[in-house]
Amino acid sequence: ILNVEQSPQSLHVQEGDSTNFTCSFPSSNFYALHWYRWETAKSPEALFVMTLNGDEKKKGRISATLNTKEGYSYLYIKGSQPEDSATYLCAFMNRDDKIIFGKGTRLHILP
Amino acid sequence: DAGVIQSPRHEVTEMGQEVTLRCKPISGHNSLFWYRQTMMRGLELLIYFNNNVPIDDSGMPEDRFSAKMPNASFSTLKIQPSEPRDSAVYFCASSFDRSPYLYQPQHFGDGTRLSIL
Repeated sequence: ILNVEQSPQSLHVQEGDSTNFTCSFPSSNFYALHWYRWETAKSPEALFVMTLNGDEKKKGRISATLNTKEGYSYLYIKGSQPEDSATYLCAFMNRDDKIIFGKGTRLHILP
Repeated sequence: DAGVIQSPRHEVTEMGQEVTLRCKPISGHNSLFWYRQTMMRGLELLIYFNNNVPIDDSGMPEDRFSAKMPNASFSTLKIQPSEPRDSAVYFCASSFDRSPYLYQPQHFGDGTRLSIL
């Protein structure tokens, strides 16, 4: 059974602080990992697509790293702002065409 | 540019009725995905198509669920007969995937909120 775990489930961060959270996935048969940002009452929006071990991607204050050998990816947010409040989802894809989403990390930025 | 368009936005129907959800992917996209979101299980992939061909339908819960993609600009997800446990938000997403698959981000529609009474 393929399992994708995200931790923590929920996170409260003071505005201005930096934070990070984890997506763990099977380390074998890796194909790609996607990160999505999902605001309440909206639909998920793509942040990053990561394919190579050691990949690092950055978009503004948000960045992500990928370790396919040990099966994890970190998402970092620098200097959190209220608009960063959302659920962050990762999606693991393997070479057998399987796509598994994690349950997400719900981030709350406190003013 | 128009995004992924799903209809209806909301559907309330009685148990046993047939339900059809519709999706129009972004023009030019060749992969289409159907997801179901519930509190308990999060976002689950039901089925996805590449160039109108189903690639993985192992997430389709049971025979009551069926999906078709008759052409590149339209897909349906049908539930017949519907049951209360099918109540969820159903999302459609599309992407443009050159070979290999799944290297491009997915663009999601606004979802259909389905309630089966």
